[in-house]
Amino acid sequence: QVQLVQSGAELKGPGASVQVSCKASRSTFRNYFFHWVRQAPGQGLEWLGRINPNSGDSTFPQKFQGRVSMTSDTSIYTVYIDLKRLKSDDTAVYYCARSEQWLAPFDSWGQGTQVTVSS
Amino acid sequence: DIQLTQSPSSLSASVGDRVSFTCRASQGISNYLAWYQQKPGKAPKLLIFSASTLQSGVPSRFSGSGSGTEFTLTISSLQPEDFATYYCQQLNSYPFTFGPGTKVDIK
Repeated sequence: QVQLVQSGAELKGPGASVQVSCKASRSTFRNYFFHWVRQAPGQGLEWLGRINPNSGDSTFPQKFQGRVSMTSDTSIYTVYIDLKRLKSDDTAVYYCARSEQWLAPFDSWGQGTQVTVSS
Repeated sequence: DIQLTQSPSSLSASVGDRVSFTCRASQGISNYLAWYQQKPGKAPKLLIFSASTLQSGVPSRFSGSGSGTEFTLTISSLQPEDFATYYCQQLNSYPFTFGPGTKVDIK
């Protein structure tokens, strides 16, 4: 059973930053790419970007350029997403997911992390 | 960006029914389409990729078809555990995009 284990829920104020982590097994970390997807309350799925955890190479949609960053720690098989200048509409469940290739479906997902932005 | 639309947005069906729903892309994406199932409070689960290839472990009552701009997901005989929301995703080009979903509930 593939497991991607994410960090716990976060409550942040507007303008703050948040970091969510996603821990994988060594095998998954070394052989897959990772993506981040979010889901606002009652809404659909939105892709936030992807990272090659071994090289650190990452790609984000234009709308998130400058506000999202993705990093990895190869020593603990963990990838991270950082989102800056939080707004209320960043309130969502954030998921990590893995894919075998850059242009491949997401065959395993983390359990999700609730991020709430509220004053 | 490639936009995906799904229809219907929701449907009511009974156990044993054959149901189909559609995903349309704003431009051709060959067969770079995946389908996911999501239940409330859970992460999405991959059902089908490359438009018609069943993910390992997914029951054979699920099938996908289509190419280019129009795709279909069919459940041949709806089971109680199939009541969920279904999303399509295009993997043809960045940024990856998802459709708005089709919610299947019990009639």
